Amino acid sequence: NAGVTQTPKFQVLKTGQSMTLQCAQDMNHEYMSWYRQDPGMGLRLIHYSVGAGITDQGEVPNGYNVSRSTTEDFPLRLLSAAPSQTSVYFCASRPPTAGKDEQYFGPGTRLTVT
Amino acid sequence: DQQVKQNSPSLSVQEGRISILNCDYTNSMFDYFLWYKKYPAEGPTFLISISSIKDKNEDGRFTVFLNKSAKHLSLHIVPSQPGDSAVYFCAASLSGGYNKLIFGAGTRLAVHP
Repeated sequence: NAGVTQTPKFQVLKTGQSMTLQCAQDMNHEYMSWYRQDPGMGLRLIHYSVGAGITDQGEVPNGYNVSRSTTEDFPLRLLSAAPSQTSVYFCASRPPTAGKDEQYFGPGTRLTVT
Repeated sequence: DQQVKQNSPSLSVQEGRISILNCDYTNSMFDYFLWYKKYPAEGPTFLISISSIKDKNEDGRFTVFLNKSAKHLSLHIVPSQPGDSAVYFCAASLSGGYNKLIFGAGTRLAVHP
């Protein structure tokens, strides 16, 4: 198992550009989510999905879109990048086991918006 | 409004001694707490968790203590090893639906020989 994979590892964007951060998992997990990590802030939930075709907003969804057409993939789209979106982005997945919140995280994508 | 707080940004401990990392929370509805460990350039990895119906959970060198009345939990690492040097995140969740995780800002632990 490759676990949770994310591409790219690094990305530099100019303000106003759009891009998609890719996330894939091969563990057949129903639940997937996107977090961003900023200095002094911990990880904050952007969007999440409880299964193919179902997505919902987390704490900080503005400026981001997601879709879940397959169980394996959960891409995160930045429609018009802003400097405030400079951050490290982590994708995570977990099985929907009741009472168990252990999540498996990808290695992250470091995004800089200039 | 941070619901989960880790007030110590860093901690330095000698190898072989005990490391104690602290976490406070404000929402009394949280019913599950987790600790994650993160090395540079990697994603966080799950370390240990505790349900709100317990006050202690142990896994090898790692023990988590929960004090619900004080809304406080702590992670004890005994004995500390250089490989434990990492950033430790405390997280809390509410039951129901997706069980969204709320993370603290993290504590950087350095274990030196």
